[in-house]
Amino acid sequence: EVQLVESGGGLVQPGGSLRLSCAASGFTFSSYSMNWVRQAPGKGLEWLSYISGSSIAIYYADSVKGRFTISRDNAKNSLYLQMNSLRDEDTAVYYCARDGASYYDSPYFFDYWGQGTLVTVSS
Amino acid sequence: DIVMTQSPDSLAVSLGERATINCKSSQSVLYSSNNKNYLAWYQQKPGQPPKVLIYWASTRESGVPDRFSGSGSGTDFTLTISSLQAEDVAVYYCQQYYSTPLLTFGGGTKVEIK
Repeated sequence: EVQLVESGGGLVQPGGSLRLSCAASGFTFSSYSMNWVRQAPGKGLEWLSYISGSSIAIYYADSVKGRFTISRDNAKNSLYLQMNSLRDEDTAVYYCARDGASYYDSPYFFDYWGQGTLVTVSS
Repeated sequence: DIVMTQSPDSLAVSLGERATINCKSSQSVLYSSNNKNYLAWYQQKPGQPPKVLIYWASTRESGVPDRFSGSGSGTDFTLTISSLQAEDVAVYYCQQYYSTPLLTFGGGTKVEIK
């Protein structure tokens, strides 16, 4: 069974940093591209970042480019999101999601999602 | 960026009746070289992460009940629930991946029981 479990969320002040993790199991992690998607409270979905299985291809949404860094450790079956210079508008539930078309080196759609981790940016 | 516009924002349907959700993209998401529409549909129940229902506009994900179907091409798409069940109460989102890596979602449509 595919499982994705996020961790690392919490309360952080504006301008602060946080590192999210996503532990994957139930599939060959290195063979799949992964994504981060967020959802602000009561709002819709926003794709943030993508990383291919080999980490060769990495992409970011304009809203987080230069502030967030995606990475992965295939030996640990783990995905990460380093978030710096956090703003109030980054408050959201952050989901890791497996790419449903990992044979392409670009994000497509998402076939498995974690339960999410809440990040609250507030002073 | 491709803007995805869903309608209606919400709808209430009686149990066993048909529910229809529309999604319009600001530009075509049909890739002419492979004749595929780069569009997916998701269901998000309260307190849960989204779940993919449909991709390539009309391909049902494994395990998704066949009362869910996707149709449309180019800029206009529809998700149809042929016979609404109580467990279908959720928010539904469309998402385009034509302009990958710049993916965008629709604003969501909330489906309730009348």
